[in-house]
Formats: sequence, structure tokens, C-alpha cells
Amino acid sequence: NAGVTQTPKFQVLKTGQSMTLQCAQDMNHEYMSWYRQDPGMGLRLIHYSVGAGITDQGEVPNGYNVSRSTTEDFPLRLLSAAPSQTSVYFCASSYSGSPGNTIYFGEGSWLTVV
Amino acid sequence: AQKVTQAQTEISVVEKEDVTLDCVYETRDTTYYLFWYKQPPSGELVFLIRRNSFDEQNEISGRYSWNFQKSTSSFNFTITASQVVDSAVYFCALSGLMNTGNQFYFGTGTSLTVIP
Repeated sequence: NAGVTQTPKFQVLKTGQSMTLQCAQDMNHEYMSWYRQDPGMGLRLIHYSVGAGITDQGEVPNGYNVSRSTTEDFPLRLLSAAPSQTSVYFCASSYSGSPGNTIYFGEGSWLTVV
Repeated sequence: AQKVTQAQTEISVVEKEDVTLDCVYETRDTTYYLFWYKQPPSGELVFLIRRNSFDEQNEISGRYSWNFQKSTSSFNFTITASQVVDSAVYFCALSGLMNTGNQFYFGTGTSLTVIP
């Protein structure tokens, strides 16, 4: 019962470094997405994908890059980390990209940029 | 524009008390979906319920119940006879047909503490 798996769970980066948050799902879901959670702001959509080879921007895409080469994987890249990217990141998936499909989350990745 | 408001930032109750978490939403969609998620201290987000805009029937699942009222744009969540394990942050979320890519709009969450 893996569901959505994210790695790493915790990471500390220095300003300017790059890194990739990994996300994999084993539910054969078409839709995958990345959210960030910040205090007092709920969760906000960064990027999403409705299928392999298709990605699009969400509400807060700046400073992040994504690709979707397989149905299972949807990595999130931080190009040049900034302190403002200190956050908790959640990968999520749903059966399809049609509005209203329930999204299921990974366990989260806690990222600190110093 | 889509918006979800959870005005209660923090709530504390004594074990076995009932507690209601409020959720008010805004949308121009005529078809939309409402959700509740639970985030326990361990940090993961757990799906609790999904409701579509055409189904205003209240739902009960064990100690949990949900009251959906389109007239007041509210989707409130009640925990009956609260337990310490209910301590968590609870998020209400909205997804509508006008959204692109199944985007969810989340409220800022309500942190519930159940005191033993």
C-alpha cells in the first residue's frame, strides 16, 4: 500500500543550491501535482501534470521546475534555492485531471533553505 | 475566483466534547466539489470526505459528520465525543469545473487540540 511516496523527508539547503524532490505513485494515476504548505497560507499549487509528457504551472511556480517522463514519477526541481522556498512540500495524485477528483497526498518533504 | 475561509485558527476542547469546524467557500462555478483533509502531528494529509455541489445531504461517518449548506456556502465538520487522536490540523478545500488541472483551493486550516 505505498500510494504516493516522497523523498527526502527532510532536507537543509544553502541559498543558491539546487535539488530535486522525488515523487512516485503506484496507483496508475494520470494526474500528479506539487503543493507547498506555509504557515497561515494553507496549501498552494506549484505545478501539475495531467499525464506523461504534459505539465503546467499552478499558482506559485516561480523557482521550480517539473517534468513527467513516466506515469509514476513527478520530480520537483528547485533551480537555485532561496530562503523563501523554506516550506513543506506535498506531492499529490488523482485518478484523472478532471476537476473534483480526490487527490491523495504523500507524507511531505520538509525543506529548509539557509 | 475560488476561495475557502476557515475563520477558526485554533480550537481547544476537552475530551468527549463535541466540536464544529467551520468552512465557508466562494465560487462562481455551479458545479464544484468540497473536501476535508486531516493533518495529524506526524504531518501527512489524510483525505476525509468529498462532496459535490448537487448533493446537500448531510453525511455521518462514525463520530464525524458534515453539514453542507449551499444557501450559506458552508461545509462544516463536526466531531462528536472528541478524542485525543482527533488532535490535528483540519483543512477544507474546494475544486470547481472552472479550475484548470484539478487545482484545489485550500483554507488556512483549523488546529484542533483535544485535551485529555
